[in-house]
Amino acid sequence: GAVVSQHPSRVICKSGTSVKIECRSLDFQATTMFWYRQFPKKSLMLMATSNEGSKATYEQGVEKDKFLINHASLTLSTLTVTSAHPEDSSFYICSARDRAYWSSYNEQFFGPGTRLTVL
Amino acid sequence: KNQVEQSPQSLIILEGKNCTLQCNYTVSPFSNLRWYKQDTGRGPVSLTIMTFSENTKSNGRYTATLDADTKQSSLHITASQLSDSASYICVGQGGGATNKLIFGTGTLLAVQP
Repeated sequence: GAVVSQHPSRVICKSGTSVKIECRSLDFQATTMFWYRQFPKKSLMLMATSNEGSKATYEQGVEKDKFLINHASLTLSTLTVTSAHPEDSSFYICSARDRAYWSSYNEQFFGPGTRLTVL
Repeated sequence: KNQVEQSPQSLIILEGKNCTLQCNYTVSPFSNLRWYKQDTGRGPVSLTIMTFSENTKSNGRYTATLDADTKQSSLHITASQLSDSASYICVGQGGGATNKLIFGTGTLLAVQP
């Protein structure tokens, strides 16, 4: 149980185009999903917290107009990188919190990540 | 400032050997301490999660310890296998309204035959 998928697993696009990444909780409902970014040999950095049915909360320094997040259902959140540039190339990882599972652990389940390369 | 530091940065061991990875954390208020395994090009997979009241937790060949007084944690890997080669990330979670995950930079473990 507690599987999170991401699609696509890798994408290559031209500079100036927009790219959409999907994050799905396959066997549970997630009221909250998180989007992270990871550069090579670096730690995961939280970009934004996505709550179903409401606007995402962005971390300081993350441009909300650049990284559009939509959490339209309890099993799907999307991250759209608009007008992508080479510096947006990175590994994007989502995670989801199971709404039905609450404990002191407050578990998050991570997706397999999406490798974005902007040429 | 909330932060998590790990050591060593990288480690090479021979297959079958044991190893211990270290983590020092400053997370306040503190909720729990986690260890994740991240294979190259993949998302993190949870190994253990411990609250402040737990001293040790095992998951197969992985055993994590937590000392809430000194704010230190360790991950011990027994009888290493080639598939253990990965980055191991220590993560602290804040409590209360600030429940974000604070990630360490990871220890890159290479297990050689």
